[in-house]
Amino acid sequence: GESVGLHLPTLSVQEGDNSIINCAYSNSASDYFIWYKQESGKGPQFIIDIRSNMDKRQGQRVTVLLNKTVKHLSLQIAATQPGDSAVYFCAENIRDTGRRALTFGSGTRLQVQP
Amino acid sequence: DTEVTQTPKHLVMGMTNKKSLKCEQHMGHRAMYWYKQKAKKPPELMFVYSYEKLSINESVPSRFSPECPNSSLLNLHLHALQPEDSALYLCASSPRQGSTGELFFGEGSRLTVL
Repeated sequence: GESVGLHLPTLSVQEGDNSIINCAYSNSASDYFIWYKQESGKGPQFIIDIRSNMDKRQGQRVTVLLNKTVKHLSLQIAATQPGDSAVYFCAENIRDTGRRALTFGSGTRLQVQP
Repeated sequence: DTEVTQTPKHLVMGMTNKKSLKCEQHMGHRAMYWYKQKAKKPPELMFVYSYEKLSINESVPSRFSPECPNSSLLNLHLHALQPEDSALYLCASSPRQGSTGELFFGEGSRLTVL
């Protein structure tokens, strides 16, 4: 099965609220994680990344948290805006395998209500 | 230039047609990728080229034939496709295969097989 997955397929939030999107992974050899945003009809767009030697990284309005103990990744979006409505994917880079390419999780749709 | 350009944006073809999807980047990246994305699903890796050599083929049917003529170009040749091959085909690039760092995605080519 997939080593990267998401707990919630759809998340609906009010404009201005904070959003939290979760992702579980099962491969302890994963050394790098990325969150992508994909709007309808477009390619995935990089949001933020984190290496496995970190547990938190902040960007503009976004924060990624990594808990290696429970193999859990989350994306926090502060003051969610209508333009944040999209599908969000986490992706992992599995080190020490022959594949050495990003594997995507199943995605969460974020709907921002005005 | 931080873009990955894909053409055509839309393609409709019959099952007996031969067509090609094209991808171009001028960021000096030496790894290029083809992903396939079905509706409401995450991108799935098809092929990876590293330094113009095929590095990964994810057991893709031979009716899909990738080609990397040079470090800036990636093609996907299509022949005798099936309706279930209809999907969004995404091209991506990165400085090196498997290196930590984002994949830069194009906007995709939406393929419909009749």
